[in-house]
This record gives sequence, C-alpha cells and structure tokens, in this order.
Amino acid sequence: ETGVTQSPTHLIKTRGQQVTLRCSSQSGHNTVSWYQQALGQGPQFIFQYYREEENGRGNFPPRFSGLQFPNYSSELNVNALELDDSALYLCASSLKGDNEKLFFGSGTQLSVL
Amino acid sequence: EDKVVQSPLSLVVHEGDTVTLNCSYEVTNFRSLLWYKQEKKAPTFLFMLTSSGIEKKSGRLSSILDKKELFSILNITATQTGDSAIYLCAVTTRGSQGNLIFGKGTKLSVKP
Repeated sequence: ETGVTQSPTHLIKTRGQQVTLRCSSQSGHNTVSWYQQALGQGPQFIFQYYREEENGRGNFPPRFSGLQFPNYSSELNVNALELDDSALYLCASSLKGDNEKLFFGSGTQLSVL
Repeated sequence: EDKVVQSPLSLVVHEGDTVTLNCSYEVTNFRSLLWYKQEKKAPTFLFMLTSSGIEKKSGRLSSILDKKELFSILNITATQTGDSAIYLCAVTTRGSQGNLIFGKGTKLSVKP
C-alpha cells in the first residue's frame, strides 16, 4: 500500500449533480495529481496541485476543479455531472522535483445515472 | 498529439511462461517512460526509464528503453498467477508538471 487514501470508494450520482472526492497524500509528499480512468482505458491527467495552487492541467473542462489544503490533502470537485463522467478517479501524491514517480490511491468509482 | 500505444491489449499465458509487453510512444520533448502494475484499483510503480539501452531489473521483471525507435518492453520471466494484472506504460515530457500520458494498458492473465 502507498499510504494515499481516497474517499469515498464508490459513489452513485445522477446527471446534473455535483460531487466532491477526497484524497490524503502519502506522508511527506507535497504534490497531488488527479486522474480519470474510464473503463478499458489508461488514466488521463486532470490536474496537479502544489503548495495549494494548480500546477498543471489536462484537457478537462472548468467544471472539474480542485483544492489542496495546507496538510497537502486534496479535493476534486465536478459540477453538472454528465454520463461520461462515470469512471474511476485516481489520486496520486509525489514529491516536487520527483513528480514523475507517482504513488496512487485505490480510487473512487463514480457512476453517473 | 502525444500518444502512447501498448500491445498486446490482452494476453493469456500459463504459469512459468515468459512474456514481453510492448509500449511505443510519439511525444514532443520526451523526458521519461514509466511502467505501472494495476491489480485492482491502485497502479503501483515498477520502473522509470530515461536512458536508452540500460536495463532495469526487479526480480523476475525487467525493462529497457529504445529512444531511437521510441519504444520500451517489459519482460516477465517464470510468470506466476500473482502477475495477473493490467500493466500500464506512461510517458512524461519536459515541462509537463508531472503529467503522465498513459497507454490503454495490457491485461495479463496467468493461468495455473
């Protein structure tokens, strides 16, 4: 286990709702990244946070937003949920300067009905 | 557009077999290539490769990178049922702020 914890593990929402996913990073790690993994696909980069600021963003619309807190934990918020948002959402922590080597949590499985 | 292509997408072998998984990439300003193993949900880090021709080894697993031909292979010798998983290949680029570009993965099933 990596020490990265995510909650909840599973979530069911309906189209148009909003959702908040949470992540606690591994001890000592100051950078948090979020990825979306659709069924049968590889993870896709959503964004990364360092020192409570967004430090890089993938090709996701503004309704995907995030926060990082002083203890390096993080939240992913998705507004106006769409059916295609159904996926496994993975959080990963790393050290700035070594942020290619990611330590992933077990993810939140989101189903949008 | 940056892309990473893995092959095969799925593979079924018997215990004791040796397998080779392939990963090719087309990216601008390549920085590193990484392999991850995804058993249930959380991908776990296996290798990071930055230089051509230098083999990385960990037990029965090994990997090598060819930056001229833009590919990497992951070898697993004497496979065990515990090797059953999805193996993900990812590439990073310079200035990408930790953005890993993943392939779709190879699903390996090892039968007893």
